[in-house]
Formats: sequence, C-alpha cells, structure tokens
Amino acid sequence: AQSVTQLDSHVSVSEGTPVLLRCNYSSSYSPSLFWYVQHPNKGLQLLLKYTSAATLVKGINGFEAEFKKSETSFHLTKPSAHMSDAAEYFCVVLNSGGYQKVTFGTGTKLQVIP
Amino acid sequence: EPEVTQTPSHQVTQMGQEVILRCVPISNHLYFYWYRQILGQKVEFLVSFYNNEISEKSEIFDDQFSVERPDGSNFTLKIRSTKLEDSAMYFCASDLAGGGETQYFGPGTRLLVL
Repeated sequence: AQSVTQLDSHVSVSEGTPVLLRCNYSSSYSPSLFWYVQHPNKGLQLLLKYTSAATLVKGINGFEAEFKKSETSFHLTKPSAHMSDAAEYFCVVLNSGGYQKVTFGTGTKLQVIP
Repeated sequence: EPEVTQTPSHQVTQMGQEVILRCVPISNHLYFYWYRQILGQKVEFLVSFYNNEISEKSEIFDDQFSVERPDGSNFTLKIRSTKLEDSAMYFCASDLAGGGETQYFGPGTRLLVL
C-alpha cells in the first residue's frame, strides 16, 4: 500500500519570501514522486519529478524538491515566492512495483501576499 | 510541446443520463488513465488502460463506468447513468512508458450532474 501526506492544507507567504510545502509518503516499493500544480479552473501541470536519479530535483518556475529516503519526505521549496505561484500543489506517489497506480496527496493551497 | 486534450471542457447533464467524456492522448503514448476530483477534494485514480484493456481500476470505477479506445486516437470514459455524486472534474492522462515520468495530464472536463 502507498500513501501521501501533505502536512499543510494552506500555506501563506509574503511575496519574495521562501516557500516550503511539505510532503511525506509511504510506499512498499521504490517510489517515483511528483509535484503538480493546479491553478484555479485549470488542469494539472507537472512541476517536477523524482525517479531514482539525483535526490535534489529541479523543476519549472524555480521550484525544487529533495527526496529524503530516511525521512520519507519530498518537500517542495522555492527561494522567493511570486504572486503567480498562488495555486494548489499536489504531491503524488507512483508505485513502480506493479500496475501503475498513482496516489495524490490532499493538496496544499499556497497563498502569496503582496 | 505535446499535450493531452479533453472535450468538452464543461458538461451539464441530468441525473440518470449517460455521458461520454473524450480525451485525445499524446500520439505515441501507450498508457492511459482517468482521474476525478470532486470539488474541494483530492484527485482520485479511477482506471488505467494499456494494450486495449483495463490494467487497474479503483473501487470508484464500478459497473456504471467504462472506458474505450475506439479508434486508436480517442480514449473515452462513459458513465452510464449519472448520479449527483458524479459531479467532478475528470482528468485524462497518458504516459509513454507507464513509469509516470512521462505522464501528461489533460486540462480536465468539469461535469455537473443536476
């Protein structure tokens, strides 16, 4: 079985300050991990992905995430928030040990204050 | 940049009616998926499809649901007799290799059942 826990349902930051969105996972197999962003009334856009290569993954729009196996975490960070980053962010785990089954976290809404 | 497309973007239907949601995956992709997101809730896996058959389905995907790839390009989700609780955003995704790292999501179809 696999699961994803996004520890914060809402995060609020000031423009120009760092962003930290937390994600913890559990998986019976070596997981692939993803972060997706969803802007209001839009589809899901892939930000970045970890698939057993480098543990520090860089994505689009200045986001990055670090896979920490010992902590079973895959937190998403950005050094400086921009107004356009306001959206909902989903951490996703993919079980690569069997048939494809993707598990989404419950999402974190990021608010950026001017 | 290749993309997954979905039609219609919005659909309103009466309870008990049949709906067909359409997706055009990326042309050389082999794995296809449907997900749904009820308003305010997390994205849920419905079904995966490979080699012209369902490879995995969730408990949500009951006998009311079916999927088809009728012509080698479209990938459809049919709901036979819609219920109020089927109101959601439905996302299609396709993947080249099934490992998730090449999984692309469509923009979604917002279904409203009255």
